[in-house]
Amino acid sequence: AQTVTQSQPEMSVQEAETVTLSCTYDTSESDYYLFWYKQPPSRQMILVIRQEAYKQQNATENRFSVNFQKAAKSFSLKISDSQLGDAAMYFCAYRSGGFGKLIFGTGTRLQVFP
Amino acid sequence: GAGVSQSPSNKVTEKGKDVELRCDPISGHTALYWYRQSLGQGLEFLIYFQGNSAPDKSGLPSDRFSAERTGGSVSTLTIQRTQQEDSAVYLCASSLASSGNTDTQYFGPGTRLTVL
Repeated sequence: AQTVTQSQPEMSVQEAETVTLSCTYDTSESDYYLFWYKQPPSRQMILVIRQEAYKQQNATENRFSVNFQKAAKSFSLKISDSQLGDAAMYFCAYRSGGFGKLIFGTGTRLQVFP
Repeated sequence: GAGVSQSPSNKVTEKGKDVELRCDPISGHTALYWYRQSLGQGLEFLIYFQGNSAPDKSGLPSDRFSAERTGGSVSTLTIQRTQQEDSAVYLCASSLASSGNTDTQYFGPGTRLTVL
């Protein structure tokens, strides 16, 4: 079975600084997708970034980028120029290529200080 | 366009009562998912529907839980004889499809269920 591990329950960063959230996963599959979701206090899960396992290039969305290390099964999220609005729970998620359900990590709570 | 909506936003019920939670997916999305988010168990998959295929019910924790999707759109998650351990936030998500590049799941705001 696939598993997703987020080893940092909480992280904090100063506004305008950079922070990296860690995620590792375990799978024997070759076709899969990885996601980072943000969950603010409003509860709504918002997709931050996605990565297809077959793509070697790391995904980037504005201030958010990932470091995808397929051999190490690592998928970290880097947030540059952190803003107060980035404060939220961040979940790493895995999805098999052929099946729809997401498998989530336990989340990392990010605090941003002015 | 409108996102995924869920109702009610909050539901308080007494142990032993039945509850129904509703999800309206994004129009045109063929795949619909239910997840449960609780302090003890984190985010768990419950069930998903893909078009007219038989739903994947592998995540339902007991036979007290059931879900249906009528007309390929609205879905209802029903919990019978609620127990205190059912207290959680129930999240619904939808996507254009369940595989490939159209698989991005968009989530609703969730229903917070409290069982007294």
